Amino acid sequence: DAGVTQSPTHLIKTRGQQVTLRCSPKSGHDTVSWYQQALGQGPQFIFQYYEEEERQRGNFPDRFSGHQFPNYSSELNVNALWLGDSALYLCASSFGTGTEKLFFGSGTQLSVL
Amino acid sequence: QQPVQSPQAVILREGEDAVINCSSSKALYSVHWYRQKHGEAPVFLMILLKGGEQKGHEKISASFNEKKQQSSLYLTASQLSYSGTYFCGTEDPRGNQGGKLIFGQGTELSVKP
Repeated sequence: DAGVTQSPTHLIKTRGQQVTLRCSPKSGHDTVSWYQQALGQGPQFIFQYYEEEERQRGNFPDRFSGHQFPNYSSELNVNALWLGDSALYLCASSFGTGTEKLFFGSGTQLSVL
Repeated sequence: QQPVQSPQAVILREGEDAVINCSSSKALYSVHWYRQKHGEAPVFLMILLKGGEQKGHEKISASFNEKKQQSSLYLTASQLSYSGTYFCGTEDPRGNQGGKLIFGQGTELSVKP
């Protein structure tokens, strides 16, 4: 049983560019949450998708957007990249939107130069 | 608001015990604990719901004091495999906020032979 898979594993972009990160949830899960983890910090909640809609959002600007597909996979898009967007982006899946344990992917390491 | 973890780092010898604390300035619905090894995804340890329950798994247990808005993670007879960064994640009590966790800054635990 495959766990949460994310692609790509590493990415290098320059300021002002746009990036798309992808996530496939664990089999049987229908909810995807995205987190940003800066070096030496805890993960920060970006947003959550359930039933192809954004259900919750953290304190991130509109440059961060997402999508969920009918097969529950998800994308995170970041426009107009800043140097400060350099971080590990983690995808976590769960079943439903209640209090459930999260299964995290290994993340995408984004470097903005 | 981000919960505060203490200590920030701890070094143990195999077989020693450790306690990691997590405090919040806000009322909590639940507290989640995760462990992240370097370069890997965070891995779920346990969830504690309000009610002061102490949950455990083998030699790792935790408590949640709702009134004090605090949780503690207890690691007894530590093993080398316990090394990693431990994060507590808190969930807002407003309901239907499952999946949206506010993580602490982490506690780095190193277990030496």
